[in-house]
Amino acid sequence: SQKIEQNSEALNIQEGKTATLTCNYTNYSPAYLQWYRQDPGRGPVFLLLIRENEKEKRKERLKVTFDTTLKQSLFHITASQPADSATYLCALAASSGYSTLTFGKGTMLLVSP
Amino acid sequence: GAVVSQHPSWVICKSGTSVKIECRSLDFQATTMFWYRQFPKQSLMLMATSNEGSKATYEQGVEKDKFLINHASLTLSTLTVTSAHPEDSSFYICSASPGGNEQFFGPGTRLTVL
Repeated sequence: SQKIEQNSEALNIQEGKTATLTCNYTNYSPAYLQWYRQDPGRGPVFLLLIRENEKEKRKERLKVTFDTTLKQSLFHITASQPADSATYLCALAASSGYSTLTFGKGTMLLVSP
Repeated sequence: GAVVSQHPSWVICKSGTSVKIECRSLDFQATTMFWYRQFPKQSLMLMATSNEGSKATYEQGVEKDKFLINHASLTLSTLTVTSAHPEDSSFYICSASPGGNEQFFGPGTRLTVL
């Protein structure tokens, strides 16, 4: 069955460091992958989308990589700040057009001052 | 832009009653709206997909008679939880798509059934 795995343990890092979160998937060939931020008691907020034919995408302090051979995406936040503390979700879509999303459970990031 | 609202943000109801949750796209027309449910420390689980003017498509295991979805216009979809029970207590989140890959999520509605 299709499976999306994100590290269930919280990632604790110090302010200014780079946070790296991992999303692995099995039995899936996604057309694209998205990363979202979710704060407690709130809906997800879209951050980045990367397509199957793209290796890397950047947006300000965020960087996403997509390795379809390893079936893995890495999400990086450089120069992390306490305000970056949240749960980060990866979501996969099966087709390039309209498609439903399948979400991972998310990884909580805690950035300490 | 691309703001999605949900109402109410939280609701507490007695077992056996019905609860309606509204999802609105405030500044764009949503050809498709999605309803998700999220239990604590779990992933968002898609419940159903609705297109304006047509019947919703429900995911496997989601009872369509219990979770009534109405997508009456390009900016409004409603989810009604009928005869709610404590096990229906969850965080319900909608998203709206103007088409293509993008989905914009609402802030969620916390439902507690006593």
